Amino acid sequence: EPEVTQTPSHQVTQMGQEVILRCVPISNHLYFYWYRQILGQKVEFLVSFYNNEISEKSEIFDDQFSVERPDGSNFTLKIRSTKLEDSAMYFCASSTSLGVGELFFGEGSRLTVL
Amino acid sequence: AQKVTQAQTEISVVEKEDVTLDCVYETRDTTYYLFWYKQPPSGELVFLIRRNSFDEQNEISGRYSWNFQKSTSSFNFTITASQVVDSAVYFCALRRDFGNEKLTFGTGTRLTIIP
Repeated sequence: EPEVTQTPSHQVTQMGQEVILRCVPISNHLYFYWYRQILGQKVEFLVSFYNNEISEKSEIFDDQFSVERPDGSNFTLKIRSTKLEDSAMYFCASSTSLGVGELFFGEGSRLTVL
Repeated sequence: AQKVTQAQTEISVVEKEDVTLDCVYETRDTTYYLFWYKQPPSGELVFLIRRNSFDEQNEISGRYSWNFQKSTSSFNFTITASQVVDSAVYFCALRRDFGNEKLTFGTGTRLTIIP
């Protein structure tokens, strides 16, 4: 069964460092998303991406964040200068263009900022 | 604005008991989609069900059932004969009826099944 894959599963970084989280969405999906979940809290929307551009972004997704689809398969989230409060689980998701389907989530990348 | 409320933060039941997880939503849209996701201790988000706002029929899948009541803006989830493997955080979510609209999640209910 096709699945969304994310790397790394866990990354530890120092405050102020740049981090890139990588995602490979399901191959025939056209809509891509990043969500984050601070430990023990709700899953929060960060950004949606379609046709090589951002469709929508939340207040959380400030200038420190960027997304890119550098080739036909990867979808990346970059945090330019990490802060302590960026520590969270980051989930990538994708969905098809056929109606309003469910989002398929990856297993998440846990980011720890020290 | 979209909002999903899961008032039950944590629930514990003894194995084999039935348990219902509540979900109340707010939306100004006439058409929308509702979802339930399961997050086991391993952390991934597992899709359970999607329900269109036009379809108010209750759905049953094995030990799982869902009760959608548009009149009360609720989409409750019942597990019958609960098992230890059902222990997880369960999220209710809402999505507008557009192609790439985001999911808006509730705060989740942590369900613990006691053996």
